[in-house]
Parts: sequence; C-alpha cells; structure tokens
Amino acid sequence: IAGITQAPTSQILAAGRRMTLRCTQDMRHNAMYWYRQDLGLGLRLIHYSNTAGTTGKGEVPDGYSVSRANTDDFPLTLASAVPSQTSVYFCASSLSGSGSDTQYFGPGTRLTVL
Amino acid sequence: GENVEQHPSTLSVQEGDSAVIKCTYSDSASNYFPWYKQELGKRPQLIIDIRSNVGEKKDQRIAVTLNKTAKHFSLHITETQPEDSAVYFCAASIRGGGADGLTFGKGTHLIIQP
Repeated sequence: IAGITQAPTSQILAAGRRMTLRCTQDMRHNAMYWYRQDLGLGLRLIHYSNTAGTTGKGEVPDGYSVSRANTDDFPLTLASAVPSQTSVYFCASSLSGSGSDTQYFGPGTRLTVL
Repeated sequence: GENVEQHPSTLSVQEGDSAVIKCTYSDSASNYFPWYKQELGKRPQLIIDIRSNVGEKKDQRIAVTLNKTAKHFSLHITETQPEDSAVYFCAASIRGGGADGLTFGKGTHLIIQP
C-alpha cells in the first residue's frame, strides 16, 4: 500500500507556464486537500474536496484550480504560474470531510517559479 | 474564518526536560485539534490529536490539553530526547464558510540541547 503519493517531487517552472501537480491515494479516503507551505507561514489550505465530484475553496485559492473526477486522484493546476507560487505543496487525505478525521499527508512537491 | 496562533516560534530545552507549546484558536465551532511533527524535508506527521469532547489526552511522553472556554490547547512533551527535535504544528478544524480542512499555526521549532 503506497498511501498517498505526489508527483513530481520537485519542479522548476518559468513564469507564465501551466503546471499540474498530481496527487493519488489508495486508502479509499473520501476527502482530499491541497496545502502550500511557506517558511514562517505554516501550511495554508488551497482547495479541498469532500467527495468525488465536489470541490471547494480554501484560504488561498487564487491562481489554482482542482478537479476530483474519481476517489483516488486530486490534481492541482496552476494555469499561469507566478513567482509568488514558489512553495512546497502538500496533498492530504482523510476518511471523510467531517473536520474531525485524521489527515494524512503526501511527501510534497517543491515548486520553484522563476 | 478560523485563526490559529502558536507560541513560541522557537523553543530550546535541555535533553530530559519538558517542552510545552501553546496554541489559541478563534472559531468556537472548531472541534478537532491535531498536532503534527515535521522533520526537515519531510511531510507533516500526526503525533497526537484531541477532540472537543475531551479535555486531555496522553500517549507515552506526549500529552495534549484543551480548554474550550478559553479556546486554547497545548502540547506537552516530557523527558525530551534528541529525536524530538523538529518543527511542530498545531491545527484546528475549519467547518462551514465553504472551507473544510485544517487551519495551522505557524509552527514551533523545537531544539533539544544535548
């Protein structure tokens, strides 16, 4: 069992380019989340999905979009990357979106936008 | 929305001593409060959590206390060891307002001095 995986591990991207970060879980969790982590700011919620077919906006959604076509995958897309999106991105999942289930984190993607 | 404050930002203790990290939250509707440990370059890992119907929870050298009236919760680590050195994050559940997930504190860098 892999748990939750992310790809790529790291990426350097030119500003203005489109980029999709991938996240896959094999735990049959209903809820999935994307966070960004910046030094001194902790982790901030970008988007979430409580179940396949539904998504919602978190604290910092601007410049990002997500889709949830099935239970296992939750890709995060930057339509036109900007330097302020340089960050470490963590995907997470939980059994439900009740707000009181343990969230398990993926290994992260380090993204640099130049 | 929810706001989580975490103190201190850095904590240095002698090996064998106790460490206490404190967090406050703003939304009285929050009902789940996890603590994550993050080692350098790694993903956040859940170490303990507490739900709003419980005042204290212990797991070996780690304990968490919750005061719902005052809206604060604390992490206590006793008999600290070198492997406890890491960044610790508290979090509170976000419910409603269109954002399900966790709001994180900015983290505490715990340094265990030999």
